[in-house]
Amino acid sequence: DVKVTQSSRYLVKRTGEKVFLECVQDMDHENMFWYRQDPGLGLRLIYFSYDVKMKEKGDIPEGYSVSREKKERFSLILESASTNLTSMYLCSTQPRLSYEQYFGPGTRLTVT
Amino acid sequence: AQTVTQSQPEMSVQEAETVTLSCTYDTSESDYYLFWYKQPPSRQMILVIRQEAYKQQNATENRFSVNFQKAAKSFSLKISDSQLGDAAMYFCAAHLNTNAGKSTFGDGTTLTVKP
Repeated sequence: DVKVTQSSRYLVKRTGEKVFLECVQDMDHENMFWYRQDPGLGLRLIYFSYDVKMKEKGDIPEGYSVSREKKERFSLILESASTNLTSMYLCSTQPRLSYEQYFGPGTRLTVT
Repeated sequence: AQTVTQSQPEMSVQEAETVTLSCTYDTSESDYYLFWYKQPPSRQMILVIRQEAYKQQNATENRFSVNFQKAAKSFSLKISDSQLGDAAMYFCAAHLNTNAGKSTFGDGTTLTVKP
């Protein structure tokens, strides 16, 4: 079974703090994704990566950056937390030739 | 723009009955993949079923089946013999350009199963 883990299930941060969310997969999948999930808005793509050190912006990259130094690990960085970044963050992986995605459990981030 | 639309924000079904969740998409591609994902409350999102656009036969997975209408760009999910454990948010997703990595997701349908 594919296993995708995220560093925290729940996280509370203060406005202005730098936030690191980490995603680790154990299936050697090339593609990894970070989404934001908000009620009524579905899943919105923040950033994705096709390979180590490679990244591409998704639909809502503002306020975020990412890092992929190793194939199994994809980190999402919120440079300066603000209340409008309060959300559920989902990481997923995807084998290159198969297209379905495997999701982590999510991190519910609250910025106060 | 490639879009995926789920027109039913909420649906409910009686236990043991059948329910159909709707999804439409827009694309000019001929080769693509369609998915339904399930996200139970406070649990991980998982793949329910997938459909390749080049296949005419509708996909089935146990109690879950799809009605894929390529010309109408419609991809509905039918859940037969609904169970309490089917209660979840269901997302329709489309991988509409096989040369790009990303999929497009609908806004989701929350399914309630009544005992």
